Amino acid sequence: RKEVEQDPGPFNVPEGATVAFNCTYSNSASQSFFWYRQDCRKEPKLLMSVYSSGNEDGRFTAQLNRASQYISLLIRDSKLSDSATYLCAANTGGFKTIFGAGTRLFVKA
Amino acid sequence: AAGVIQSPRHLIKEKRETATLKCYPIPRHDTVYWYQQGPGQDPQFLISFYEKMQSDKGSIPDRFSAQQFSDYHSELNMSSLELGDSALYFCASSLTGGNSPLHFGNGTRLTVT
Repeated sequence: RKEVEQDPGPFNVPEGATVAFNCTYSNSASQSFFWYRQDCRKEPKLLMSVYSSGNEDGRFTAQLNRASQYISLLIRDSKLSDSATYLCAANTGGFKTIFGAGTRLFVKA
Repeated sequence: AAGVIQSPRHLIKEKRETATLKCYPIPRHDTVYWYQQGPGQDPQFLISFYEKMQSDKGSIPDRFSAQQFSDYHSELNMSSLELGDSALYFCASSLTGGNSPLHFGNGTRLTVT
């Protein structure tokens, strides 16, 4: 079992839709979690850090459920420019951050 | 703002050759990470350094080695290259360890022919 697992998608949604991604982690000692956005052949870019129960930044909301060991990312009012791969990451202790395989999102006009 | 700088951007090598990738972290970041990302794959953690000492190791082949220098830049050395080593190699840096988010460089695209 992978340490961080995500639904690979792809998710195909129309503009304006709300879409949610889930991510599960296996290491219960993980303390910090992150969502990154990655465009094709580019570097992952930090979208949001999640340390406690959740975080919100504009149209993006992340939730953390430690009991069930999952993190979610909600995108409201999807834009065409939100089309990308969304990577979930967990710090598994020390200096090691593990990434999920990513969820691909396509937002269509 | 200064970002993580990686060089070269592209590298083409033949099988059994060696390659050296360089990474300059964001100023004052004390932790450097190396990741390998194959086509359609997630970034695979290779190795990390904190304050110039190796801190954690992931799925890094024995043919690869890395170090962090006194100026905090890091180099990933890859020997006896194989076709399967063709991938994007990202360096990332963070401030004071794993609980801080990683900031990635643009990556080095290595092609082994």
